[in-house]
Amino acid sequence: QLQLQESGPGLVKPSETLSLTCTVSGGSVSVGSYYWGWIRQPPGTGLEWIGAIAYGRSTYYNPSLKSRLHISLDSSTNQFSLKVFSLTAADTAVYYCARDPGYRYDAWGQGALVTVSS
Amino acid sequence: QSALTQAASVSGSPGQSITISCTGTSSDVGGYNYVSWYQQYPGKAPKLIIYDVSKRPSGVSNRFSGSKSGNTASLTISGLQADDEADYYCNSFTSSPTFVFGSGTKVTVL
Repeated sequence: QLQLQESGPGLVKPSETLSLTCTVSGGSVSVGSYYWGWIRQPPGTGLEWIGAIAYGRSTYYNPSLKSRLHISLDSSTNQFSLKVFSLTAADTAVYYCARDPGYRYDAWGQGALVTVSS
Repeated sequence: QSALTQAASVSGSPGQSITISCTGTSSDVGGYNYVSWYQQYPGKAPKLIIYDVSKRPSGVSNRFSGSKSGNTASLTISGLQADDEADYYCNSFTSSPTFVFGSGTKVTVL
């Protein structure tokens, strides 16, 4: 059974860079037909699509965040990662990783709360 | 990109049917049959309940159904039950190409 697990720091300072990793088990990130995505949810508000990557294919980013994002994939560790640069308090959120088998997200990690504060 | 528009809250009594609307533009909802719906309980990850406008993943109750007309997609929950009380989000592929979520609807079972 496919499982995804986010990992990363729970607290990051403003202006610094957030690095999150999603470890996939029960499936391979090297399957080119799947996209692997990041979605976030600020406290008490709705979901925001961040971006997605697929093995051997293009990476896509939310236009409103694109200048501060980098998503990568490591087939050797079966992980994919998210970097968010120049953090502000508005980046405080639960960050989810998820699998997209075709225009939907059918498997999600449990989410990782990231707080941006000095 | 702007979030798709959903009503903040919808309520109904057990056994009733309710419909949640999700309005976008011709660049997202209206342009593609790639609308999905997610159910989210407090403190939990979202769960896919509808994809490709009207398809249900295996294991999802047939009380959930989806449709689309023009730039508006809809999720209908029939035979409302207590455990349907949750937040519901629509999502659409866009022409950018990216994805955009709806603003979310809180369903209350009276």
